[in-house]
Amino acid sequence: DTGVSQDPRHKITKRGQNVTFRCDPISEHNRLYWYRQTLGQGPEFLTYFQNEAQLEKSRLLSNRFSAERPKGSFSTLEIQRTEQGDSAMYLCASSLDKLGSPLHFGNGTRLTVT
Amino acid sequence: ILNVEQSPQSLHVQEGDSTNFTCSFPSSNFYALHWYRWETAKSPEALFVMTLNGDEKKKGRISATLNTKEGYSYLYIKGSQPEDSATYLCARGEAGTALIFGKGTTLSVSS
Repeated sequence: DTGVSQDPRHKITKRGQNVTFRCDPISEHNRLYWYRQTLGQGPEFLTYFQNEAQLEKSRLLSNRFSAERPKGSFSTLEIQRTEQGDSAMYLCASSLDKLGSPLHFGNGTRLTVT
Repeated sequence: ILNVEQSPQSLHVQEGDSTNFTCSFPSSNFYALHWYRWETAKSPEALFVMTLNGDEKKKGRISATLNTKEGYSYLYIKGSQPEDSATYLCARGEAGTALIFGKGTTLSVSS
């Protein structure tokens, strides 16, 4: 068990560019979550997958955001036409699909849009 | 949209003090309540997951209680140490949905 890994750790991009982040969950976990955290706020839910199926997507998520988990293993989160308001820490977490299972978080990707 | 409220927002205590935080949440359709500790430059780490009304969990000097009927949970730290300094997050879940997090309580312990 190597834990949840996220890549890259930091990303600086110019407004209008597209960015893609990757998350590798713990291998036996079938649930994978994306959250976003900004200063002074708790993690804000973006979307989650059970295996390869995207089961829930936040209504706060604009159509510039898309996530995939093509084979039920790693996941990618893409932001198109980035805006300065997208600057945040993007957290990935995984868990078992079982009552009482905690989330295991990665170290996050810090996005800065200039 | 579910609201998970945590208080206080921040807290500063001296080493050896005991302290507690509150997490309030909607009691309807309750499924689980999670507590996480988030230290600077690290990822959030699970402390407790509670599902039943009246649940009490303990890990070393940290314990938590749950009241699902009135919609609150308390986290207690006995004899705070500098290494307890972190942001403590609670999160509420309904069946089949993702966890919704509060804004957290940031604890600072001075030696």
